[in-house]
Amino acid sequence: TQLLEQSPQFLSIQEGENLTVYCNSSSVFSSLQWYRQEPGEGPVLLVTVVTGGEVKKLKRLTFQFGDARKDSSLHITAAQPGDTGLYLCAGARSNYQLIWGAGTKLIIKP
Amino acid sequence: GAGVSQSPSNKVTEKGKDVELRCDPISGHTALYWYRQSLGQGLEFLIYFQGNSAPDKSGLPSDRFSAERTGGSVSTLTIQRTQQEDSAVYLCASSSRQLTALYQETQYFGPGTRLLVL
Repeated sequence: TQLLEQSPQFLSIQEGENLTVYCNSSSVFSSLQWYRQEPGEGPVLLVTVVTGGEVKKLKRLTFQFGDARKDSSLHITAAQPGDTGLYLCAGARSNYQLIWGAGTKLIIKP
Repeated sequence: GAGVSQSPSNKVTEKGKDVELRCDPISGHTALYWYRQSLGQGLEFLIYFQGNSAPDKSGLPSDRFSAERTGGSVSTLTIQRTQQEDSAVYLCASSSRQLTALYQETQYFGPGTRLLVL
């Protein structure tokens, strides 16, 4: 069974701080996606990483795919209250199935 | 343009009753997915429709769960004889699959139906 473990499960920090959340597995994925989900809404895709070692930046968010394509991290610089939400990672298991982590609930306090 | 819509947004039912959840995908999207999200858990794949191909039902947790997609558009997820453990948020997503690998496409999610079985 392919599992994705996300850590921490919950993170509450002050506006302006930096943070990193992790997504780890013992299995290799062909690609990995990060989503953000806000209360009462469905997840929204932030980024897809495909190549081992790949780094993608989306404004203050930096995503990295591990060299072995088993793990990924999301780093947020100078967090803002608008970054609050549930961050989910999902690994591609087949051409259409994703394996999902349980998410990191992030709260940024003003 | 319109995104994925789901109805009802909330559903409270009694144990043993049947429920129907509806999903209207983005117009023109050929792929449609149903997921279940329980509190504190990740998304659990339920079923996948792609065009006129036979659906992948491998994620359905029991034979009480079924889904249809009529005319390649609207989909209905039916849960028969609901149990308390069925309580969760049921999410629908669609994508414009062009027979490309998963990493090349984006799934667009609806807001979900929150199901509570008493």
